[in-house]
Amino acid sequence: DQQVKQNSPSLSVQEGRISILNCDYTNSMFDYFLWYKKYPAEGPTFLISISSIKDKNEDGRFTVFLNKSAKHLSLHIVPSQPGDSAVYFCAASAGAGGTSYGKLTFGQGTILTVHP
Amino acid sequence: DTEVTQTPKHLVMGMTNKKSLKCEQHMGHRAMYWYKQKAKKPPELMFVYSYEKLSINESVPSRFSPECPNSSLLNLHLHALQPEDSALYLCASSRGQPLIVNQPQHFGDGTRLSIL
Repeated sequence: DQQVKQNSPSLSVQEGRISILNCDYTNSMFDYFLWYKKYPAEGPTFLISISSIKDKNEDGRFTVFLNKSAKHLSLHIVPSQPGDSAVYFCAASAGAGGTSYGKLTFGQGTILTVHP
Repeated sequence: DTEVTQTPKHLVMGMTNKKSLKCEQHMGHRAMYWYKQKAKKPPELMFVYSYEKLSINESVPSRFSPECPNSSLLNLHLHALQPEDSALYLCASSRGQPLIVNQPQHFGDGTRLSIL
């Protein structure tokens, strides 16, 4: 049972345009969401996160939107740059305490390609 | 450069060998994690250590034995592995409890393990 889903295996955008990566989740206990970027032969790099008490978080070119009622989050990258080409994973966790503390559940990833 | 360092970067071992993977961080983080990632799949949690104590074991076979000798180090001892255990093994760390706010996990670049 996939609790975090990224339904688009790949996305291709032109440099300078907006990239929108989507993620859906099913577990209503998730209250903290993260986006990671992964280059080949490297570990995932943390990009941005959002707590369930917010609906938007912004950091430079990266903005994450959370729609709790739809159990949906998205990552907007604007403007997109060729160096953004990588695999993007969304991840979720269910609280900072309790038996599931620290467990991140990842989506399958979306390959983003930004063309010059 | 990642602040979580994993050694070795690559490891090839036979099914009867005993080896160890090592992970080190000097960010003062008190939670450390082991993940396993198969090709074209997301990372899957194996173990969580919080304040040097094992807090989550995701039903991992006993041929994988984690150890946390101090707050900066995390080891994964391997013995009698199977070919299907070939994967990328990722270590991560985060600030950990008793902080209440959610915190991102920061990953190392992983050890690529091949079982012959």
